[in-house]
Amino acid sequence: RKEVEQDPGPFNVPEGATVAFNCTYSNSASQSFFWYRQDCRKEPKLLMSVYSSGNEDGRFTAQLNRASQYISLLIRDSKLSDSATYLCVVISSGSARQLTFGSGTQLTVLP
Amino acid sequence: DVKVTQSSRYLVKRTGEKVFLECVQDMDHENMFWYRQDPGLGLRLIYFSYDVKMKEKGDIPEGYSVSREKKERFSLILESASTNQTSMYLCASSFPGPQYGYTFGSGTRLTVV
Repeated sequence: RKEVEQDPGPFNVPEGATVAFNCTYSNSASQSFFWYRQDCRKEPKLLMSVYSSGNEDGRFTAQLNRASQYISLLIRDSKLSDSATYLCVVISSGSARQLTFGSGTQLTVLP
Repeated sequence: DVKVTQSSRYLVKRTGEKVFLECVQDMDHENMFWYRQDPGLGLRLIYFSYDVKMKEKGDIPEGYSVSREKKERFSLILESASTNQTSMYLCASSFPGPQYGYTFGSGTRLTVV
């Protein structure tokens, strides 16, 4: 079983739609969680951290469910510019911080 | 503007060649990482370093080595390139501490023929 699993999609949604991605992780001792965004042929960039209490940044909401070991990302009022691959990222425990990445969920927002 | 710079955007090398991928960051980050990214497999950690002259194996270190002689520079070495090492290579850096995300370089697309 992969340490971090995501639905690869693709998700094709119309502009203005609300879309949600889930991600599950297998290591119950995982410490920190992030969502990254990767545009086509570009490097991943940090979108937002995911906090236990849930957090919001404009149209984006991230949630963490430690009991079920999943995190989610909700995008409201989708824009064309939201089209990208969204990577779920988990920090594993251990002596040195290292991120484990999911394979990514591809989102295309259609006009 | 903080930066992680990878020396080459595209590289084509022959099987058996020794290949050096260079990464430099200007953010005074302690931690540096090398990943490769392949379709369907996501990003996989090759090696990382949390201090000068320190290195740790990641998930897929076979066929690779690294060097960190200075804090700002982390080099990935393919001792004898093989076709299965054709991939996108991404360097990243960060401060220590779980609250910090990574900053990535723009990647090197390596093709081994």
